[in-house]
Amino acid sequence: GENVEQHPSTLSVQEGDSAVIKCTYSDSASNYFPWYKQELGKRPQLIIDIRSNVGEKKDQRIAVTLNKTAKHFSLHITETQPEDSAVYFCAALFSGAGSYQLTFGKGTKLSVIP
Amino acid sequence: NAGVTQTPKFRVLKTGQSMTLLCAQDMNHEYMYWYRQDPGMGLRLIHYSVGEGTTAKGEVPDGYNVSRLKKQNFLLGLESAAPSQTSVYFCASSLFGRAGTDTQYFGPGTRLTVL
Repeated sequence: GENVEQHPSTLSVQEGDSAVIKCTYSDSASNYFPWYKQELGKRPQLIIDIRSNVGEKKDQRIAVTLNKTAKHFSLHITETQPEDSAVYFCAALFSGAGSYQLTFGKGTKLSVIP
Repeated sequence: NAGVTQTPKFRVLKTGQSMTLLCAQDMNHEYMYWYRQDPGMGLRLIHYSVGEGTTAKGEVPDGYNVSRLKKQNFLLGLESAAPSQTSVYFCASSLFGRAGTDTQYFGPGTRLTVL
């Protein structure tokens, strides 16, 4: 099955700095890569996603890049703010052969220091 | 439009007891999922359904059963609860599974403790 590795597990940045979270996946057939943000005690919420036919996608201060050859994708947050503090999860979707599963990384706890 | 809802929000069970967690969505989504979230483990898929009357196993299905008798509801059952099933359970749904319709929307979660 699919395996998703996420690094780092914790990340502290000063307000205004950038944060980068990296994920690698094992199944080259995976074709959809969402990122979720989870605040303490809340549900995961989708913040951005990318499909395998695209190399980069941006949404205001958030961007995701995908390198299919190397099987890794990254989340970039610029001009970080205290409200960006949360746990971020990457995921990879494999669909095929009658299976449909989204596999998550173990999460990165981001702390933005004012 | 409530989105995805879960019942109950919290529950404490004794080892060996049974219970059912209910997930409901009002978005007319075909696909529904049950995940468990443990500290340091991320979210792991227990079971999922690609339509009314269908179910399929995910990564960690042992000790759980599911049913999808109605399109809007997905039930997760624990027949004989064990302490290892102490976790936060999230339900999610997506319109379909193909590109452009596969975004998963999560419910608020159920915190289950098994003593």
